[in-house]
Amino acid sequence: GENVEQHPSTLSVQEGDSAVIKCTYSDSASNYFPWYKQELGKGPQLIIDIRSNVGEKKDQRIAVTLNKTAKHFSLHITETQPEDSAVYFCAASKAAGNKLTFGGGTRVLVKP
Amino acid sequence: DAGVTQSPTHLIKTRGQQVTLRCSPKSGHDTVSWYQQALGQGPQFIFQYYEEEERQRGNFPDRFSGHQFPNYSSELNVNALLLGDSALYLCASRPPGRRNPYEQYFGPGTRLTVT
Repeated sequence: GENVEQHPSTLSVQEGDSAVIKCTYSDSASNYFPWYKQELGKGPQLIIDIRSNVGEKKDQRIAVTLNKTAKHFSLHITETQPEDSAVYFCAASKAAGNKLTFGGGTRVLVKP
Repeated sequence: DAGVTQSPTHLIKTRGQQVTLRCSPKSGHDTVSWYQQALGQGPQFIFQYYEEEERQRGNFPDRFSGHQFPNYSSELNVNALLLGDSALYLCASRPPGRRNPYEQYFGPGTRLTVT
């Protein structure tokens, strides 16, 4: 089955700096890659996603890149703010609405 | 527009007991998936319901079962609880295929503690 690995497991950045989280996946049939943000005591919140027919997608301060050949994708957060502190998860699935396979998560701490 | 709702918020059970968790999908959504999230880990897929039938299942034993009702709400049942079943149980819903079927939205979860 699909396996998603996520690095780093923890990331501490100064407010205003950029943060990058990387994920690799094993199943070349996967074609949908969402990123979720989970704050303490809450469920995961979808923040951005990318499909396999697109190499990059941006939404204000966050962007995601996908390299299908290498089977890896990354989340980039620019101009980090304290409210960006949370656990971020990458995931992969093979089809619309199909089961999501999650990475292990990255705990991001933005220091003011 | 209400998002995905789950009940109860927290639950404490004893080993060997049975538990039922409930989920109401986001308005307009017809497919519900359940995930188990152990402490410090990513969510793991349990199963998915669509048109009141189980459509996909992850690597979970038969002790885990579910149901979907005509109003698209869903229940997750776990029998013969083990200590290892302690986790946050998340429900996710997605819209019908004629809309954006890729995006899945999660509820706040039910924290189950088995003692």
